[in-house]
Amino acid sequence: GAVVSQHPSWVICKSGTSVKIECRSLDFQATTMFWYRQFPKQSLMLMATSNEGSKATYEQGVEKDKFLINHASLTLSTLTVTSAHPEDSSFYICSAREGGTTAEQYFGPGTRLTVT
Amino acid sequence: GQSLEQPSEVTAVEGAIVQINCTYQTSGFYGLSWYQQHDGGAPTFLSYNALDGLEETGRFSSFLSRSDSYGYLLLQELQMKDSASYFCAVSRSDSWGKLQFGAGTQVVVTP
Repeated sequence: GAVVSQHPSWVICKSGTSVKIECRSLDFQATTMFWYRQFPKQSLMLMATSNEGSKATYEQGVEKDKFLINHASLTLSTLTVTSAHPEDSSFYICSAREGGTTAEQYFGPGTRLTVT
Repeated sequence: GQSLEQPSEVTAVEGAIVQINCTYQTSGFYGLSWYQQHDGGAPTFLSYNALDGLEETGRFSSFLSRSDSYGYLLLQELQMKDSASYFCAVSRSDSWGKLQFGAGTQVVVTP
């Protein structure tokens, strides 16, 4: 089946620093990638949608200057949390679609971010 | 507005059948998906319904009634490994690839 990887799986950083999270589709080309945020025991909240070669579309309430998304190729999207603060601590998950008529999204294993 | 409702928790014994209901209010509704997520893990796709009726995949089945804005996931022959969170998610015709997830249902399977 389709595999999506994320790196790193967990990261601890200090307030004010930036963290980059990579999302890769390993065995398929992802026309669209999505970034979600999930707090413990809660649902997945869509942050943004990225299509290869174009600007990401952010959901309402998500600061695009704080959460920078780059979708440089059909297999790689990155999320950079800039000037991180403790309230940014969360589980960040990416997913990818192959395109076409399939509704299925393939999810990465997630990245646990802790900001101290 | 948009809303999705599903029960917060369901407990059942091994071998039993569990039905997780999902009701939605979504303008431009296109389809309903179901995902499973174990603690600390990634969500995995279970099924998708765009048309009314039942979709069966092994022990899991999913049903959709567009006229009732309602769907359910049926888990049969429950196993301990089925203990997880189950999310329904809707997709809309104007943003077809995007998913809006429900709050999730924690299924606890007991021996």
